[in-house]
Amino acid sequence: SQTIHQWPATLVQPVGSPLSLECTVEGTSNPNLYWYRQAAGRGLQLLFYSVGIGQISSEVPQNLSASRPQDRQFILSSKKLLLSDSGFYLCAWSRLAGGYNEQFFGPGTRLTVL
Amino acid sequence: GQNIDQPTEMTATEGAIVQINCTYQTSGFNGLFWYQQHAGEAPTFLSYNVLDGLEEKGRFSSFLSRSKGYSYLLLKELQMKDSASYLCAVMDSNYQLIWGAGTKLIIKP
Repeated sequence: SQTIHQWPATLVQPVGSPLSLECTVEGTSNPNLYWYRQAAGRGLQLLFYSVGIGQISSEVPQNLSASRPQDRQFILSSKKLLLSDSGFYLCAWSRLAGGYNEQFFGPGTRLTVL
Repeated sequence: GQNIDQPTEMTATEGAIVQINCTYQTSGFNGLFWYQQHAGEAPTFLSYNVLDGLEEKGRFSSFLSRSKGYSYLLLKELQMKDSASYLCAVMDSNYQLIWGAGTKLIIKP
């Protein structure tokens, strides 16, 4: 069976500090991978998605970046965090590029920038 | 632009039935998903509709009308554990999911 891991679960960082959130998927190969952010009481905002190693599409221009160094590893980074970066960060994976495309979510990382 | 509309919050009574509506305007349509999200947790998949009509899965059913850009999630025999946010998401022509803001469902005893 497939599982998706995210860490850390919670994180408190000062403004201007760097960020690295990691997501790994087990039990599947060549998944599509996604990073979302969810502000309190809001819907999911797609930040990045990847269809393969080294292939990253950015949906929203901001001070975040993503990398996919391995097939089942997806990393979200920032060099300098802003207050507005606070939120619930979710990693997700799906099997297909088209057609039925259910996304499976990791447990999320709650980031607070102070 | 692309838009998904859902009510912000709904309240229902334990044991009752509730219908959560979702209307959408997207560039293309490749299916509509409903997810459940408990507070502080990740969303979990509930249902998928790509053809018009009703899909039933236990206490939960989901309906789709593509011509009207409309879907609803029907929850029967409500239980306290159904208190959660319900997210509607549409897959557009690029096979990307466009998400609604979610409907917070409050169940009262």
